[in-house]
Amino acid sequence: GQQVMQIPQYQHVQEGEDFTTYCNSSTTLSNIQWYKQRPGGHPVFLIQLVKSGEVKKQKRLTFQFGEAKKNSSLHITATQTTDVGTYFCAGLLYSNSGYALNFGKGTSLLVTP
Amino acid sequence: GAGVSQTPSNKVTEKGKYVELRCDPISGHTALYWYRQSLGQGPEFLIYFQGTGAADDSGLPNDRFFAVRPEGSVSTLKIQRTERGDSAVYLCASSAQLAGSGSPLHFGNGTRLTVT
Repeated sequence: GQQVMQIPQYQHVQEGEDFTTYCNSSTTLSNIQWYKQRPGGHPVFLIQLVKSGEVKKQKRLTFQFGEAKKNSSLHITATQTTDVGTYFCAGLLYSNSGYALNFGKGTSLLVTP
Repeated sequence: GAGVSQTPSNKVTEKGKYVELRCDPISGHTALYWYRQSLGQGPEFLIYFQGTGAADDSGLPNDRFFAVRPEGSVSTLKIQRTERGDSAVYLCASSAQLAGSGSPLHFGNGTRLTVT
């Protein structure tokens, strides 16, 4: 089952407002990846965070990895209609079966002009 | 270059039938993954291959599901005695390096399976 929790499930904002989605794991992650899935499309890789406390930026998107490597966030500044989609975090966990990339349920972002 | 290709894009089958879903990964990618995604959910891990062998099949829901990758490239996900609960989009992904390296996944467009 999915071991990575993501909130909120949905977010509806006006264009220009900020947006944040949060990801939490009960276990320490080796790394965390973020993906975006447009309606009707497939998940597309955005970024990977590896180090404790790491912060990365891509234009209006800011990604953070918690100090304990159990949580992460994605913040979008001044949303645009092109940001519409579902944002998934995916945590890389090591278990007896090997490495598995477990996805959260995602946060669906709707941006209205 | 070409991305991950999945065929068919849509498959409708009757309950109890057998289906095969095919995945052509990006050329040269070592790792290949199968995920299943239901409406409103995140991708659910099924199995991943490193080369020809299944490195982790702990996500396969039961013994009706089986996947192969005989030559380390193309993979086939096989579902026997399909049930209505198997209806979902089956996503295939490949990555350039082994799963433990954290290499990003490149997803195909998926196969939408509907069991009637």
